Amino acid sequence: EPEVTQTPSHQVTQMGQEVILRCVPISNHLYFYWYRQILGQKVEFLVSFYNNEISEKSEIFDDQFSVERPDGSNFTLKIRSTKLEDSAMYFCASSEFPGLTGNEQFFGPGTRLTVL
Amino acid sequence: SQQGEEDPQALSIQEGENATMNCSYKTSINNLQWYRQNSGRGLVHLILIRSNEREKHSGRLRVTLDTSKKSSSLLITASRAADTASYFCARGSPGAGSYQLTFGKGTKLSVIP
Repeated sequence: EPEVTQTPSHQVTQMGQEVILRCVPISNHLYFYWYRQILGQKVEFLVSFYNNEISEKSEIFDDQFSVERPDGSNFTLKIRSTKLEDSAMYFCASSEFPGLTGNEQFFGPGTRLTVL
Repeated sequence: SQQGEEDPQALSIQEGENATMNCSYKTSINNLQWYRQNSGRGLVHLILIRSNEREKHSGRLRVTLDTSKKSSSLLITASRAADTASYFCARGSPGAGSYQLTFGKGTKLSVIP
């Protein structure tokens, strides 16, 4: 069964460093998403991406964040200068075109980012 | 708050019993999705129910939706120890080009063998 994959599973970085989190969405999906979950808190939406551009973003997704689909299979989230509060589990998700009423979003296993 | 809230926050049952988890929300939805998360792991999609649907089944799972009460429930029948996990509802809201999901805090289910 097709699934979303993410690498690495765990990333440790120093404050101020840049990190790139990678995702391979399900191959026939058209919409891609990033969410994050700070330990013990709710899953929060960051950004959605369609047709090579950002479709929607939350207040969390500030200028420190960027997304890219560098090729036909990968979808990346870059954090330019990490802060301690960026420590969280980052989930990539993908869906078929949502249409009028939305569609199932399938999540990857997550990348646990630890900022020291 | 526009976010869904599940109750109970935690639920402990014996294997074989049924587990019911509830989700309430405050604004309109176009769909509501239920997910399972094992400790520290990814989110597994369980069921999507659209705003014009009242009930959906998948195996031992049954989801109901009452848009007049702005609530949904997830029923797991004949629970197993492997069902131990956190369960989240996630609300998809209507809005042109908006497909983000808003998650609740989740219900932590423990199934005792």
